[in-house]
Amino acid sequence: DAGVTQSPTHLIKTRGQHVTLRCSPISGHKSVSWYQQVLGQGPQFIFQYYEKEERGRGNFPDRFSARQFPNYSSELNVNALLLGDSALYLCASSGQGSSYNEQFFGPGTRLTVL
Amino acid sequence: AQKVTQAQTEISVVEKEDVTLDCVYETRDTTYYLFWYKQPPSGELVFLIRRNSFDEQNEISGRYSWNFQKSTSSFNFTITASQVVDSAVYFCALIQLPANRDDKIIFGKGTRLHILP
Repeated sequence: DAGVTQSPTHLIKTRGQHVTLRCSPISGHKSVSWYQQVLGQGPQFIFQYYEKEERGRGNFPDRFSARQFPNYSSELNVNALLLGDSALYLCASSGQGSSYNEQFFGPGTRLTVL
Repeated sequence: AQKVTQAQTEISVVEKEDVTLDCVYETRDTTYYLFWYKQPPSGELVFLIRRNSFDEQNEISGRYSWNFQKSTSSFNFTITASQVVDSAVYFCALIQLPANRDDKIIFGKGTRLHILP
């Protein structure tokens, strides 16, 4: 069975641009969470979606938004990119809607903002 | 406020040695979950264990063991007879219960473990 997949693997953008990152959860999982991991730090929670509804939001500015589609895949959008947005963006899926359930992570998208 | 502290930034040990990774947490809540995740060079986090605050039994899984002590707010992770494949960054994490809309899992900064052949 396929695990969590994310695309693209790597991305280079310039300041002020917009980016869309994509995630496909494990088949049968209805919850998707997004995390930002800056180099040398632990992951920071951005959003959680369950059954296409937002279930949680971390301390990120409104430039960050996300949505979940009927097939439970998800997109993370970041507008007006800043240098500080350079990070590894991780997606995790879970069979349940709570963050305390076991989550399965994808390999991440490495975003570099120049 | 919740906080997870992994004071060891980086550890190097020779293969077959035992190694313990420390995790100290802070939370005002009496009910919470603690986690350990492994992040190999490939990037994805791999779930290792989840422990709820009411279960202080130590757990052993093969060469891995975990020591949870509420009295010292610690949840330490020991690898026995380490192997090169154990080289990775290890994260400790915490989430309070009941989890609601604004609750989020908090990760420590991680400990980079090098197992030298």
